[in-house]
Formats: sequence, structure tokens, C-alpha cells
Amino acid sequence: QVQLQESGPGLLKPSETLSLTCSVSGASISDATYYWGWIRQSPGKGLEWIGSVYFTGGTYYNPSLRSRLAISIDTSKNQFSLKLTSVTAADTAVYFCTRELAGTTVAPWGQGALVTVSS
Amino acid sequence: DIQMTQSPSSLSASVGDRVTITCRASQNIRTNLNWYQQKPGKAPNLLISGTSSLQSGVSSRFSGSGSGTDFTLTISTLQPEDFATYYCQQSDSTPPTFGQGTKVESK
Repeated sequence: QVQLQESGPGLLKPSETLSLTCSVSGASISDATYYWGWIRQSPGKGLEWIGSVYFTGGTYYNPSLRSRLAISIDTSKNQFSLKLTSVTAADTAVYFCTRELAGTTVAPWGQGALVTVSS
Repeated sequence: DIQMTQSPSSLSASVGDRVTITCRASQNIRTNLNWYQQKPGKAPNLLISGTSSLQSGVSSRFSGSGSGTDFTLTISTLQPEDFATYYCQQSDSTPPTFGQGTKVESK
């Protein structure tokens, strides 16, 4: 079955750049049916959609994060990545990588990666 | 952004109970409403899409209804494995947004 796995640093200082990679197994990231995305979860904001990327490289971002956000895709490695610049404590959350069906449902999700921003 | 409001935020129930969770959208989302279940330390899992379409492998004791701005998730006969937090999500417009969650706890 399709599995997604996040990887990347778990502790950042304020103003640094958050970088996470999602490795996909059991499916091709070039499948035109799906988008590949990121969602984060924090006690304060709940579940927040960050954005998604299509196999062509086309991206869709949450307007609230757009100025700091870049999502990219590497079809040769079957991976996609998230970069969020100038992080603050408000960016502390569990980050999930996900598969989206044409902007509708989100399934499956990765297990999640806790990212803490602290000085 | 479309705001999604769930009620209640938490509820206590017993095995065998009928449980109903409500989700209200801040504007008309037609039937573009999905439900997820999340257990502690795990990622959310899609239960229902398009208001009422049960995902493969999901028990038929789960059902969804509604349209426009008001939606309901019903668990007909609560089972021990159903104690979890449930989230609604609208997929009518970007960005997709989630409700704040309803925690179903054991009474």
C-alpha cells in the first residue's frame, strides 16, 4: 500500500529555515491523479493545510504562508519537499506529508514529524 | 478562508451508544465535506468523503449526512476502537480547512 515518510531536523532556532522531505513508497509520485502535500498540526491552530505540489511542479500554497513557503517535487527520487523560511515559535507543530485527490480528500498521511522552534 | 466549527468539542459515551457530531461551515460548501478519525500519536485517517461516501474498509456503523453549511457524522453503535478525535474538512475551496475536532471519550 502507499506509504509516506517525513524526514528532516526536529529542532530549529527562530529565523532559520524548516526543511522536510517526504519519501513515497508503494506508488509513483508521477501519478497524474494525485497531488502531494503538507499539513501541520499544533495545539493552538489545529490542523492547517500548508500546500501541495503536482508532478509537473505546479504548486498550491496557503495564502497565509505563501511568502515563506516553497514546495518542490523530485520524480526521480519519488520524493517531495517543504521549505519554510524565517520560522518562529508559531511554526512549532507536527508536520504531515500527504497525498491529495485533486484537492478533495487527503489520504494517506505520513506518520508526522515534530518540528520545534526554540532559541 | 471557510471556517469549520464542530460541536461538541468533546463528549463522553459508552460502548453501544449512538454518537452524533456536528460540523458547520461558514458558507455554502455544497457536499464537499470529509471526515477523519485521529487516534493519539497517529495521523488522521480518512473515514468519509463527499459528505456520505464511506471509504473502503471503514465500518458501516459510520455514516455522514448534510449539505450546504450543516453536516453530521454518526456512529450508530460505538465500539471500543472508536474512541478517538474526529475532524471535518471542507474541500469546496482553497485552502481546505478543518474543524477544531471532537474528542470522543469513554464515559
